[in-house]
Amino acid sequence: DVKVTQSSRYLVKRTGEKVFLECVQDMDHENMFWYRQDPGLGLRLIYFSYDVKMKEKGDIPEGYSVSREKKERFSLILESASTNQTSMYLCASSKQGGISYNEQFFGPGTRLTVL
Amino acid sequence: GENVEQHPSTLSVQEGDSAVIKCTYSDSASNYFPWYKQELGKRPQLIIDIRSNVGEKKDQRIAVTLNKTAKHFSLHITETQPEDSAVYFCAAPGNQFYFGTGTSLTVIP
Repeated sequence: DVKVTQSSRYLVKRTGEKVFLECVQDMDHENMFWYRQDPGLGLRLIYFSYDVKMKEKGDIPEGYSVSREKKERFSLILESASTNQTSMYLCASSKQGGISYNEQFFGPGTRLTVL
Repeated sequence: GENVEQHPSTLSVQEGDSAVIKCTYSDSASNYFPWYKQELGKRPQLIIDIRSNVGEKKDQRIAVTLNKTAKHFSLHITETQPEDSAVYFCAAPGNQFYFGTGTSLTVIP
């Protein structure tokens, strides 16, 4: 069974703080993704990575950065958190074969509130 | 980028009735069309997918149809049950992974 875990289920931060969201997968997947989920807007891709140290911008990368130093770990960084980054953040992974063509396995999500 | 439109945004059906959710996409290069189900408080999970070389795929009470010419695909759930209540997302990946905005399905017992 694929397991994707995220470091926190709930997180409360203050405006201007630097925030780290961690994601770990145990299935040796090459591809990893970060999404944010907001009511009425569905799942929007922030960044993805198809290999260690590789990253690609998604649809809404502004205000975020990512790090992938190890294959199993993909971190999302909010350099200076703002209230409009309050959201549910979902991490996902998929096996090699092109990012579009394989099932994505999601983590449980981190609900981030920025005050 | 890719534009994936999903309709309706909410859907209520009586138990035992059918439910249909439709998605349209714009990227002609899309060749893989998955559907994810997200139950309340849980993570999205793949329920069915279809590749562009087939027009329909069925898995028990769930089916997906694809019309590549018209660039739309649909999820069909027959004999709906209360446990089908969830948010359903379509996706039409191109060079990125774009999801639709979701359909909240409620099955009324």
